[in-house]
Amino acid sequence: KAGVTQTPRYLIKTRGQQVTLSCSPISGHRSVSWYQQTPGQGLQFLFEYFSETQRNKGNFPGRFSGRQFSNSRSEMNVSTLELGDSALYLCASSPRGIEVFATQYFGPGTRLLVL
Amino acid sequence: AQSVAQPEDQVNVAEGNPLTVKCTYSVSGNPYLFWYVQYPNRGLQFLLKYITGDNLVKGSYGFEAEFNKSQTSFHLKKPSALVSDSALYFCAVSTGAGSYQLTFGKGTKLSVIP
Repeated sequence: KAGVTQTPRYLIKTRGQQVTLSCSPISGHRSVSWYQQTPGQGLQFLFEYFSETQRNKGNFPGRFSGRQFSNSRSEMNVSTLELGDSALYLCASSPRGIEVFATQYFGPGTRLLVL
Repeated sequence: AQSVAQPEDQVNVAEGNPLTVKCTYSVSGNPYLFWYVQYPNRGLQFLLKYITGDNLVKGSYGFEAEFNKSQTSFHLKKPSALVSDSALYFCAVSTGAGSYQLTFGKGTKLSVIP
């Protein structure tokens, strides 16, 4: 089975711009989660989608949003980029439905640099 | 609120020696605990998890972890370290009650010295 894929792998943007990141989960997985990884804050949960519905949201401003499509692919969008948004954005998919202990499998990430 | 602590930023161990990477957690319900490894410029790779049952969990690449409820710990271990084990290790916790997020520790950098 192919793993989680994320596009693009690298991105450079300037302050004030917006960006959209894409994630394709492992085939058959319906849960997709997004995490932000920075040297200072570590790994922080952004949001989780299941069957096109957001089930959980982390403590991030409204500039961070996401969605999931009927084929389970997911996108996240960051509007009005700030320097502090520079990070590795990781997507994870899981075969879980209601069970919270199902393993999450991570993609390689999208590295975003905001100048 | 749930939290995870990895008290050591870095662990150095000689090749062939046993290794331990420490993790403690704090949750209000039953914990579901995970270990992931991250190599440079890569995403996280799943190593093992504890849901319930046997306190000793065996995972990928010869790693195992011991769940200790009284000490709220979930330390990662390997009997004989390899240079290729050098990487960043993350402990994470999830709880029930509709929580679908993983809370991660800050990570421990493991260096295995030849």
